[in-house]
Amino acid sequence: EAQVTQNPRYLITVTGKKLTVTCSQNMNHEYMSWYRQDPGLGLRQIYYSMNVEVTDKGDVPEGYKVSRKEKRNFPLILESPSPNQTSLYFCASSFGAGGYNEQFFGPGTRLTVL
Amino acid sequence: EDQVTQSPEALRLQEGESSSLNCSYTVSGLRGLFWYRQDPGKGPEFLFTLYSAGEEKEKERLKATLTKKESFLHITAPKPEDSATYLCAVQADYGGSQGNLIFGKGTKLSVKP
Repeated sequence: EAQVTQNPRYLITVTGKKLTVTCSQNMNHEYMSWYRQDPGLGLRQIYYSMNVEVTDKGDVPEGYKVSRKEKRNFPLILESPSPNQTSLYFCASSFGAGGYNEQFFGPGTRLTVL
Repeated sequence: EDQVTQSPEALRLQEGESSSLNCSYTVSGLRGLFWYRQDPGKGPEFLFTLYSAGEEKEKERLKATLTKKESFLHITAPKPEDSATYLCAVQADYGGSQGNLIFGKGTKLSVKP
């Protein structure tokens, strides 16, 4: 089954404790992206990747890091999480490096930073 | 500034009562407009992509249309299983974040039996 998977689905952590949210897709998509969804603000792009070893900032990149060492994986790293990063996070992937085709979303990771 | 506004914020319908959701947008150059459905606790599920004014696409009870300033998602004879939040997003046809989807805040649709 074609899908985007994320782990963990739920995470409660404390301020400053480094964490990684994994994202994997099995569709051989070039483009991958991370979004966060907050009430009243909608979905906003954090980082994206057009292919292996090619990443760039989205609209709200502060406090996040990403890497793309393999085509299928695109982990999101919070090196020193803060409470304002409490949010619902979605990974998405798309055919084509430009991300201009439909993006397929993962199930989401609900993160709470205390 | 690129912007997407969806209305209404919430819509309650009786089963079988047709209606439309609106998505108005301002973007210097539109590359594509996307409709997604989102169920509680789940990721957005892709429905349609529209690229140019006048384009229409249909899927079961849903039909999406596009003009130069807005898009409509028409729901014909909805069923309770159509209850969800419907998200509209645009991609701009110029620089900035590659492939970035600019989302509206969504319309929460409830269909009562």
